[in-house]
Amino acid sequence: KAGVTQTPRYLIKTRGQQVTLSCSPISGHRSVSWYQQTPGQGLQFLFEYFSETQRNKGNFPGRFSGRQFSNSRSEMNVSTLELGDSALYLCASSSTSVGNGELFFGEGSRLTVL
Amino acid sequence: AQSVAQPEDQVNVAEGNPLTVKCTYSVSGNPYLFWYVQYPNRGLQFLLKYITGDNLVKGSYGFEAEFNKSQTSFHLKKPSALVSDSALYFCAVRGPSGNTGKLIFGQGTTLQVKP
Repeated sequence: KAGVTQTPRYLIKTRGQQVTLSCSPISGHRSVSWYQQTPGQGLQFLFEYFSETQRNKGNFPGRFSGRQFSNSRSEMNVSTLELGDSALYLCASSSTSVGNGELFFGEGSRLTVL
Repeated sequence: AQSVAQPEDQVNVAEGNPLTVKCTYSVSGNPYLFWYVQYPNRGLQFLLKYITGDNLVKGSYGFEAEFNKSQTSFHLKKPSALVSDSALYFCAVRGPSGNTGKLIFGQGTTLQVKP
């Protein structure tokens, strides 16, 4: 079974640009979550989608948005990039919608903002 | 509010020695606790979880964790460390909504196993 696939793996953008990251969950998983990882702030939750609906949102500005498609694939978008948006963005999927399910993470998309 | 703390930024052990990576938690309600490991330039890999039942949870790669409700701790352990265990370890707790996707992570502990 293929794991969680994230594209692109690496990208470089300049301030003010926007970026779209893609995530394909494990087949059959309907829950997809996104996390931002930085050396200073650690792992921070961005948002979670289940069956195309956003169920949870972390404490990030409105420049960060996401969506989920009917095949459970998800995208996240960051507009008007700032230097502080440089981070590893991790996508995770789960087979369950509540409670005790573990998350399966992709390798991440490393964004550098110049 | 749910939170976890990993009091050690780094743990150093010699290969073959037992290792412990500490985690304490604060939750309202029953805790759902997890350990993940991250190798350089990789995503996180699930090691084990505590939902209910036995306080000693066994996981992947020979790791185990002990849930202690009175001390609100969930320490990760391994009887004999390997050099290949060197990595960044994260403790996490399920978010308050109960939904699967939101985990609250500790700051991480770097484990260094020396030959």
